[in-house]
Amino acid sequence: ILNVEQSPQSLHVQEGDSTNFTCSFPSSNFYALHWYRWETAKSPEALFVMTLNGDEKKKGRISATLNTKEGYSYLYIKGSQPEDSATYLCAFDAGYSTLTFGKGTMLLVSP
Amino acid sequence: DGGITQSPKYLFRKEGQNVTLSCEQNLNHDAMYWYRQDPGQGLRLIYYSQIVNDFQKGDIAEGYSVSREKKESFPLTVTSAQKNPTAFYLCASSTPGLATGELFFGEGSRLTVL
Repeated sequence: ILNVEQSPQSLHVQEGDSTNFTCSFPSSNFYALHWYRWETAKSPEALFVMTLNGDEKKKGRISATLNTKEGYSYLYIKGSQPEDSATYLCAFDAGYSTLTFGKGTMLLVSP
Repeated sequence: DGGITQSPKYLFRKEGQNVTLSCEQNLNHDAMYWYRQDPGQGLRLIYYSQIVNDFQKGDIAEGYSVSREKKESFPLTVTSAQKNPTAFYLCASSTPGLATGELFFGEGSRLTVL
């Protein structure tokens, strides 16, 4: 079973703070790295699917970077807002048609 | 609206009973998946299907069964053989070529065994 680790497990920040999380994954057999946002009582939604080493993707105030050689990805949120409160999941794709998920980072942004 | 519908949202079951969770999608996706979430754990794959009439076991398939008779539907049966069935179950779908695609999820079904 592949090991995908996310840190921190949870995070509590104030509105306006910038924050970042880490996802580490096996550096071999890399195909893609997914980030999902899961708000309470809703479905997880894809943020990014990253495939190339050095890739950086951005969606509004959220961005992600990818280092496939050392096996990690960072997710950054600039100027956190209460609506950013959610669990952020990363998932590793080794090209076997399934994803291996980390345990997630739970973010709470207080007004 | 296109999407994935899971039902029921909440389900209670007595020990020894089988129960079936429904998952329907109208996204025209070929691949469908069932995941299980437990507190403090990541999503774990139960079963997946890449095409109608075919499916494969995931990491934790014991005590579960599935069918894929139609492209739109991928029901999951939690059998009495599943030792710890109380959990949150998520269904997802994707287009072929998962490496460049993304998963679309339903809102989940919470099963509680009394």
